[in-house]
Amino acid sequence: GAGVSQSPSNKVTEKGKDVELRCDPISGHTALYWYRQSLGQGLEFLIYFQGNSAPDKSGLPSDRFSAERTGGSVSTLTIQRTQQEDSAVYLCASSLLYPGFEGDEQYFGPGTRLTVT
Amino acid sequence: AQKVTQAQTEISVVEKEDVTLDCVYETRDTTYYLFWYKQPPSGELVFLIRRNSFDEQNEISGRYSWNFQKSTSSFNFTITASQVVDSAVYFCALSDLSAGNNRKLIWGLGTSLAVNP
Repeated sequence: GAGVSQSPSNKVTEKGKDVELRCDPISGHTALYWYRQSLGQGLEFLIYFQGNSAPDKSGLPSDRFSAERTGGSVSTLTIQRTQQEDSAVYLCASSLLYPGFEGDEQYFGPGTRLTVT
Repeated sequence: AQKVTQAQTEISVVEKEDVTLDCVYETRDTTYYLFWYKQPPSGELVFLIRRNSFDEQNEISGRYSWNFQKSTSSFNFTITASQVVDSAVYFCALSDLSAGNNRKLIWGLGTSLAVNP
């Protein structure tokens, strides 16, 4: 079946502009995660959505970052007034998470490479 | 606080050598899951294995094997007879189930494995 998809695959933007990154999770997956990975670094958690619960935004680095998930499916990560330090690969993952399921592996999309010039 | 340590930043081996990637974790919880993910040069993270904290049996899948030892809080990953295609960054991660629905993985910084012909 279809995996997690992200768009665009690459985005080059000028400093100060806003960008929107999109994630389409695997159908039926209730949990959705956004991560950021800088060159040669590990994964930095940004935000987590689970069903209709309030999202866990504890990883968002500043108030320039926001995300929403519409209809429990597609998610958009928005970065306002981009800075050069925002340049990274933004990864989205989804997982099947429901009561009784023991553990849940995350399935990752290919990522969006954001370059802020 | 939960923490995952992958002490080996980079490993370089020659094809057909065996290689072990170390993962040490910290958690106060009795219920948790451990994961390994592979990130090949293409960039997309691939799930390899999930291990429940109550199951200390070692697992073998082809050339891959995992050694889970609660006594030392380690979940090491061994590749037998390594191949060039094994070259990737490997991440170890910890999931805290006691957090209820608000789960997110705690990631190690990854080990970059280079298998040379």
